[in-house]
Amino acid sequence: DAKTTQPTSMDCAEGRAANLPCNHSTISGNEYVYWYRQIHSQGPQYIIHGLKNNETNEMASLIITEDRKSSTLILPHATLRDTAVYYCIVRVRETSGSRLTFGEGTQLTVNP
Amino acid sequence: SAVISQKPSRDICQRGTSLTIQCQVDSQVTMMFWYRQQPGQSLTLIATANQGSEATYESGFVIDKFPISRPNLTFSTLTVSNMSPEDSSIYLCSASWTENTEAFFGQGTRLTVV
Repeated sequence: DAKTTQPTSMDCAEGRAANLPCNHSTISGNEYVYWYRQIHSQGPQYIIHGLKNNETNEMASLIITEDRKSSTLILPHATLRDTAVYYCIVRVRETSGSRLTFGEGTQLTVNP
Repeated sequence: SAVISQKPSRDICQRGTSLTIQCQVDSQVTMMFWYRQQPGQSLTLIATANQGSEATYESGFVIDKFPISRPNLTFSTLTVSNMSPEDSSIYLCSASWTENTEAFFGQGTRLTVV
């Protein structure tokens, strides 16, 4: 699976947009970009995923660059409850080998 | 979304014994995964358990230590065998309908080996 690189930590003010970057320069054409988050002592929570088009759901937006070598997760109006570790993961599309391999993630702290 | 239930939620075990963790999904899923998360660290994939085939283990994990069963499309077990204190960790079950859909996670089993 392609390796991802994320900043170790980020801070964001409550109510502001949180923009979390991810570099996946070795991504291949058959790999999705997935984002998960893990709030302390809980199981990881799915946020969003995409292949090459930008995606939006009720939680967040995912912006993938045209060359697919990087992406940004956007939480439009961060709240204190968004404080968590955010993981960017690339995942093979085929069933064989289609596993989620977690890196170290970004610790996002939303401040009042 | 799928709901994943793990049992037990936590346990304290004696070294040298084995513990079997159960994972139940409320819908049929193609893929199930088992992870380990040691304190303060990220998740490490132990193995992938697809129904109808043998589990596929990641580097550093072997079937003798972590045998896995996948008897049907909604259930899987992970056994941690011959435990040592180094096996103290949170073990998480995950499931995905297909390779193109999101994976859901249980709340984990917190294992302490004494």
